Order: sequence, then structure tokens, then C-alpha cells
Amino acid sequence: GQQVMQIPQYQHVQEGEDFTTYCNSSTTLSNIQWYKQRPGGHPVFLIQLVKSGEVKKQKRLTFQFGEAKKNSSLHITATQTTDVGTYFCAGPGTDQAGTALIFGKGTTLSVSS
Amino acid sequence: DTAVSQTPKYLVTQMGNDKSIKCEQNLGHDTMYWYKQDSKKFLKIMFSYNNKELIINETVPNRFSPKSPDKAHLNLHINSLELGDSAVYFCASSLSPYEQYFGPGTRLTVT
Repeated sequence: GQQVMQIPQYQHVQEGEDFTTYCNSSTTLSNIQWYKQRPGGHPVFLIQLVKSGEVKKQKRLTFQFGEAKKNSSLHITATQTTDVGTYFCAGPGTDQAGTALIFGKGTTLSVSS
Repeated sequence: DTAVSQTPKYLVTQMGNDKSIKCEQNLGHDTMYWYKQDSKKFLKIMFSYNNKELIINETVPNRFSPKSPDKAHLNLHINSLELGDSAVYFCASSLSPYEQYFGPGTRLTVT
């Protein structure tokens, strides 16, 4: 079945260092979404990418969607302690309505000051 | 105002019991979901409801049954609870097929 793989599983950085998480799908995606889950919290939507090769920025966060629409990345520049959490990518499932999300296993980021 | 709410936040119960988790959204979304997050943080879709109609039903045990009295509510009923059901259950809603809004989660512990 459809799979969304995400690496690395864990990443520890010093505050101020950069961070990147990578997402790969076994199938071509119509779009990809990114979510952040703080410790003890719930997933919160960050962004949706739709177009091949699309790049979007949110302050220190840069999101990319691959040309083949099978991979994506999230890059954080100069991490801060507020960036701590687990970052998930998610693609639409293969259900008829395409509303279900298939989540990657997430990358848990820890930041030390 | 809370967009997606769930009750209870914590649920501790014994094996074999039946329990329900309630979910309500006030966003006017047309689709609601239930996800299970295991101890390794893996999020897996369980059910999806669109305008009160079940449109996906992943390979979850039939001990789990979603019930939607109206478009704003999607409850999850679990029969004969097992140890392996211990997890965090998240309700979510969306104006499909766009971003999903998650509730705060219900941490279920089966002893």
C-alpha cells in the first residue's frame, strides 16, 4: 500500500544550527502537507504544497516539493528552542475521496541552548 | 473558542470494558476523522466521515465504531477494550481536501 517515509527519526541540534527533515512517498502525490506537534500537544497544520518544484517559506522555515511530486523537505534555519517538537509530512490517501492523510512517522527535533 | 474539542482528555479503564470518546467541531467543516497515535508517535487514520457518511474505514478491529449524530460531531465507541488499544486518539476535521484541524487528543490507558 501507499507509504510515506520520513527521515531522520530524531535530530538533536544546538540552538542556532540548521535542521532538515526529508519525506518520500512510494507514489506520486497530488499535494503534501506538513504538521508540527509540540510535546504533549496535537498536530498543527503548517503548510500545503501542491505544485511540482514548489518552494514556500514561513519565516525561518522553508518547504520544498520535489519535481516528481514524490518527495518533500522542511528546512529550519537557525533553530530556536521554540522549534522543538515532531514534524510530520502527510500525503492524501488512496481512498476515493482522497481526504484521508497518510502520515510519515515524523522527525522529532530537540534543541539545546 | 475551541475549534475541535474532545472529551475526555484522559481515560483509564480495564480490559474488557466499553468506552466512548466524543468529538465536536465548530468550524463548519464537512469531514471529520479519527486518528490513533501509538507510543512511537505514529499517526494512523482510523475513520473518516463526510456529511454523516463513512467514506473510509481502515483495517481497524470492528470493536471500534464511529458514530456521527450530525455534521459537527463524530464520536468513537470502543467495545471490549484490549491492552493494545492504549494510545492517544485524535479527532480532526477539514473542509476536504484541505488542511486538517486536530483536537487536543484523548489519552486512553487500558490496564
